[in-house]
Amino acid sequence: EADIYQTPRYLVIGTGKKITLECSQTMGHDKMYWYQQDPGMELHLIHYSYGVNSTEKGDLSSESTVSRIRTEHFPLTLESARPSHTSQYLCASSPLGYEQYFGPGTRLTVT
Amino acid sequence: AQSVTQLGSHVSVSEGALVLLRCNYSSSVPPYLFWYVQYPNQGLQLLLKYTTGATLVKGINGFEAEFKKSETSFHLTKPSAHMSDAAEYFCALNNAGNMLTFGGGTRLMVKP
Repeated sequence: EADIYQTPRYLVIGTGKKITLECSQTMGHDKMYWYQQDPGMELHLIHYSYGVNSTEKGDLSSESTVSRIRTEHFPLTLESARPSHTSQYLCASSPLGYEQYFGPGTRLTVT
Repeated sequence: AQSVTQLGSHVSVSEGALVLLRCNYSSSVPPYLFWYVQYPNQGLQLLLKYTTGATLVKGINGFEAEFKKSETSFHLTKPSAHMSDAAEYFCALNNAGNMLTFGGGTRLMVKP
């Protein structure tokens, strides 16, 4: 099982602020993913990466951006947070693209 | 296109009773299938997976699931529910790509 870390776990921030959600994994997985999930609801893929310098948008349109400069690191950035961005953000990684291993999530609240 | 349907967004059982969470899928190629569990304010934890071979797969915490190709199903079961099993459960499918398609989730409630 992968060791995958997300920081911060909880974040409350005001409208218009720039935020970066961190995601790191120690297993050397090439494939990484970001999902957005409202409480008790299904997961929506917002970004994914198949390796260094590879990033793609997912099924759900998102105003966030991602980068993949190092294999182990896949941060997500919101340039200007809005209340509509309030949600839980889950990061995952995969060794071969089949099963995915998830981090604990970041619960974001924008006031 | 592939899809996953979880029948019943909420399932309630008594402690000690059988747990049965239903998952049906649609896929144009033989799928890889997964069950995940999510506790409040946590990420998803892999319970079990079916790739190839034995159609009855055993996972953690006493859960198991059976792949039935003829019924396009992958139902999750546990003989005896425990209070600690209360959580959200997600069925997911991978049809040989790099993406998972998730079902809508089933919230399992366990009554004392």
